[in-house]
Amino acid sequence: SAVISQKPSRDICQRGTSLTIQCQVDSQVTMMFWYRQQPGQSLTLIATANQGSEATYESGFVIDKFPISRPNLTFSTLTVSNMSPEDSSIYLCSVLTGPYEQYFGPGTRLTVT
Amino acid sequence: QKEVEQDPGPLSVPEGAIVSLNCTYSNSAFQYFMWYRQYSRKGPELLMYTYSSGNKEDGRFTAQVDKSSKYISLFIRDSQPSDSATYLCAMAQGGSEKLVFGKGMKLTVNP
Repeated sequence: SAVISQKPSRDICQRGTSLTIQCQVDSQVTMMFWYRQQPGQSLTLIATANQGSEATYESGFVIDKFPISRPNLTFSTLTVSNMSPEDSSIYLCSVLTGPYEQYFGPGTRLTVT
Repeated sequence: QKEVEQDPGPLSVPEGAIVSLNCTYSNSAFQYFMWYRQYSRKGPELLMYTYSSGNKEDGRFTAQVDKSSKYISLFIRDSQPSDSATYLCAMAQGGSEKLVFGKGMKLTVNP
């Protein structure tokens, strides 16, 4: 398993602004993922972040809106840019520690007004 | 049709009951099946994962996969109030780490 922390745990932001969410894991991992969890909806993968390469985005998510950094094997950031109320959601990072074993952080609860 | 369907509930049971949680799926390429538990305001916690068809048991929890019916289940025996949480099923194709989740079923176990 892995111990994962996220900052901030929650935030309230105004539309048009950007928020950067940090994800820190207690061990080196190759693969990190960013998810969005909206009320009444499935957890949805935004992108896969591998150290040393560009993030891979899922259909419906673009780099300009959700830029991701992965500077080393224990850290990643997700930025939610030019926010609108539709971006209000819980954002979660996860790491892969073994075959098909993904562990999640506690999430960042974002409200956009 | 969504790739993974899960009844969102909610489901309320008395303490000690046997709980059955289910998901169906449409993608026959799914080979790995997981169950996550998510407490309120926390991240999902991996409970169990299984490969292909069959059963897997871990304490009070049993995961069951029926690939012929594209149906997976999680059974909780002797349910406890501490089991009250949202349970999410997730699946992955062989060779892919991308998980596809159900919407989650909210379970309440009443003392």
